[in-house]
Amino acid sequence: AQKITQTQPGMFVQEKEAVTLDCTYDTSDPSYGLFWYKQPSSGEMIFLIYQGSYDQQNATEGRYSLNFQKARKSANLVISASQLGDSAMYFCAMRERDGTSYGKLTFGQGTILTVHP
Amino acid sequence: GAGVSQSPSNKVTEKGKDVELRCDPISGHTALYWYRQSLGQGLEFLIYFQGNSAPDKSGLPSDRFSAERTGGSVSTLTIQRTQQEDSAVYLCASSFTSGPHQPQHFGDGTRLSIL
Repeated sequence: AQKITQTQPGMFVQEKEAVTLDCTYDTSDPSYGLFWYKQPSSGEMIFLIYQGSYDQQNATEGRYSLNFQKARKSANLVISASQLGDSAMYFCAMRERDGTSYGKLTFGQGTILTVHP
Repeated sequence: GAGVSQSPSNKVTEKGKDVELRCDPISGHTALYWYRQSLGQGLEFLIYFQGNSAPDKSGLPSDRFSAERTGGSVSTLTIQRTQQEDSAVYLCASSFTSGPHQPQHFGDGTRLSIL
């Protein structure tokens, strides 16, 4: 089974509108972290926002917020007031216990977001 | 600079040659990770270091791949006898610790092309 599933290969949004990028995950570890990264066409991976499994409140970071629904195992990224510079690939990722340590991130396949003027 | 630094940014080599990719993590970060990103494959984990030890090498695709980290800082990923399927972008990341809450910060990657 996929650990991280991003079901939207591509999304389009009008400038200044809000957009939600979907992410569902699968883990049996009670302590895990969920992360969103942005990868523009230039290739760098930019960390956007983090949500811990025990966090009671949804994470927010500027125009980014995370709609965390633990029972549904979903961690959707909401971008408010979209800007042209938000056009990029967005990856959802999870960090869970692997043996005795937390190491790697497991990534979803990504969603390409295109912001139209 | 303050970020993760990778070199070279691009590498073109002939099939069968050995290549070395370098990663200089953020100062003070104890954990270092290598990933590979290729078209149609997404981001694959290769290996992770905590200090100079590698607790998880499970993602290395074959024994042609090896990595080391010295002085708890710089890491080198070596690919021997390169094959065309090794063509990809190799990304290095570091984090302050290896705990679940620590974001990993990525370098700009090395784009490797095998002719």
